[in-house]
Order: sequence, then C-alpha cells, then structure tokens
Amino acid sequence: KAGVTQTPRYLIKTRGQQVTLSCSPISGHRSVSWYQQTPGQGLQFLFEYFSETQRNKGNFPGRFSGRQFSNSRSEMNVSTLELGDSALYLCASSLDWNEQFFGPGTRLTVL
Amino acid sequence: GQSLEQPSEVTAVEGAIVQINCTYQTSGFYGLSWYQQHDGGAPTFLSYNALDGLEETGRFSSFLSRSDSYGYLLLQELQMKDSASYFCAPYSGNTPLVFGKGTRLSVIA
Repeated sequence: KAGVTQTPRYLIKTRGQQVTLSCSPISGHRSVSWYQQTPGQGLQFLFEYFSETQRNKGNFPGRFSGRQFSNSRSEMNVSTLELGDSALYLCASSLDWNEQFFGPGTRLTVL
Repeated sequence: GQSLEQPSEVTAVEGAIVQINCTYQTSGFYGLSWYQQHDGGAPTFLSYNALDGLEETGRFSSFLSRSDSYGYLLLQELQMKDSASYFCAPYSGNTPLVFGKGTRLSVIA
C-alpha cells in the first residue's frame, strides 16, 4: 500500500500571501488530520476531517482552514501568512485515532 | 483539559538501556501511543498500550499504569539509529491525539 503523500515538499512564501497544501491519505483511510510542527511548540493539532466533514479542530486562528474531498484527499489553506507560520506541516491518515500514519510533511518558510 | 509531560532531552550510551517517561492528564482516557521521529522525517507509530502493564516489541517496550496516569518507553540495546525524538500521545476516544514537544534521545558511542 502506498503511504501518505504530501505536496509540495518545500514552499517559500512571503508575508501576506496565502498557501494551499495537499495530502493524499493511505487508500481506505477516511480520517485525515493536519499538524503543525515547530521547534518551540512541538506537534500541534490543526484539524481533522472525516468523510468530507471537519470532525475536530485545534486552537488555531481562522486563517488556517481545510477541506476534504470525496476521495479522502485533503487540502489545508493558510491565508495572510505570518512569519510565525513557518513550520513543518504534517498530514496523517488513520483508521483509528490511536495509530496515525504520517506523510513526509511540507516545509513552509515565510519570508 | 489535557496535559502531557515528557523530559525534553535524554542522552544514553550505545548498547545501554534508556527509559523515557510520560505523565498525562486527560479525560476519557483509552490508551497511550508512542511515536518516533528522526530529524527531517515524519513521526512513525511505535506502540499502543490500552491495558496496564508492559508490551514488548523487539528492542522496544512500552509500559502503562492507568491509575498513575503514567507510561514509559523502554529502549534496549541502544543503537545510534535510535537517536530521534519520541512522543507519547494519550488517546481519549474520537478526539485528536495530543503529542506535545516530545523527548529528544541522543545515543552516544
């Protein structure tokens, strides 16, 4: 089975721009979660989608949004980028919450 | 609310044994997961404890005490490739896993 894939792997943007990241889960996984990872804050949960519906949401501002398509692929969008949004964005798919399968991540740099 | 505590860094010698502790506070606790993440890589699932006691998987073992809200990951016969960050993540049912900042393990020769 193919693993979780994320595109792009690296991205450089400037403040004020917006960005869209994509995640393709493992075939058969309907739950897709997004995490932000920074050296200072560790792994922080952004949101989770299940069958095209946002099922859980973390404590991030409304500039962070996402969606899931009928094929379970998911996108997350960050608008009005800030320097502090520079991070590794990880997507994970799962059948059960206790075992998440992570993608390689998208490294976002905001200048 | 939820809280999670792990040591930020641990250093151990190649071939030795190391224990990474985790204390948590969460409502509706189901079990405790452990993940490993190498620098530049994605987190990978190591183990899940739903019941009290020790679960062994090769050189890695994970322990859980539900009454103490405590668990640990035990790594034996340490190898250089075990240098990585390790995250414990309490599972509370159909809610997001809380990973926290993890423990950075450095294995030295």
